[in-house]
Amino acid sequence: NAGVTQTPKFRVLKTGQSMTLLCAQDMNHEYMYWYRQDPGMGLRLIHYSVGEGTTAKGEVPDGYNVSRLKKQNFLLGLESAAPSQTSVYFCASSRLPAGIPYEQYFGPGTRLTVT
Amino acid sequence: AQTVTQSQPEMSVQEAETVTLSCTYDTSESNYYLFWYKQPPSRQMILVIRQEAYKQQNATENRFSVNFQKAAKSFSLKISDSQLGDTAMYFCAFLYTGTASKLTFGTGTRLQVTL
Repeated sequence: NAGVTQTPKFRVLKTGQSMTLLCAQDMNHEYMYWYRQDPGMGLRLIHYSVGEGTTAKGEVPDGYNVSRLKKQNFLLGLESAAPSQTSVYFCASSRLPAGIPYEQYFGPGTRLTVT
Repeated sequence: AQTVTQSQPEMSVQEAETVTLSCTYDTSESNYYLFWYKQPPSRQMILVIRQEAYKQQNATENRFSVNFQKAAKSFSLKISDSQLGDTAMYFCAFLYTGTASKLTFGTGTRLQVTL
């Protein structure tokens, strides 16, 4: 079991460039999440998905788009990168919560720098 | 909306001593979970301990235990017999199961364990 994996681990973009971050999980989890972590602010939710083909906005969705075409993958896109999007991005996944101890499993993170 | 507050940005403890990290939260919900996550320099998010709100008994995991005061909306983490490997950022997080199991994080406490 690889758990939750993220590609790439590091990336440097110029302002205005686009890119896609890939998250993959092999635990057959229904729920998937994208967070960003900035110094002094903890993790904040960007977008999330409660199942294949569904996505929803989190706390800080502006400037990002997501897609969940396959249950195991959750993609985060930046169409026109801005320096304010310099951050560490974490993907997480979880089972349906009902009736079982709940836990979100996190990927190793992607450090993105926009110059 | 839920909020999570960690009022101690940094703390330091000597090896083998005990340290307590504070966390308070605000919610109008009655069914929820609380978590402490550890983030070492490797950046990986590691679940330390979990508390279900409906359980009055405080959760314990080896050297880690919590003091859960539901009425006061307080959820502190006690680390006993501190080890150098406990050096990390610690995040308190809140989850209301009725909202697609989204986590709300505090801003974190950086813990340094010294010799």
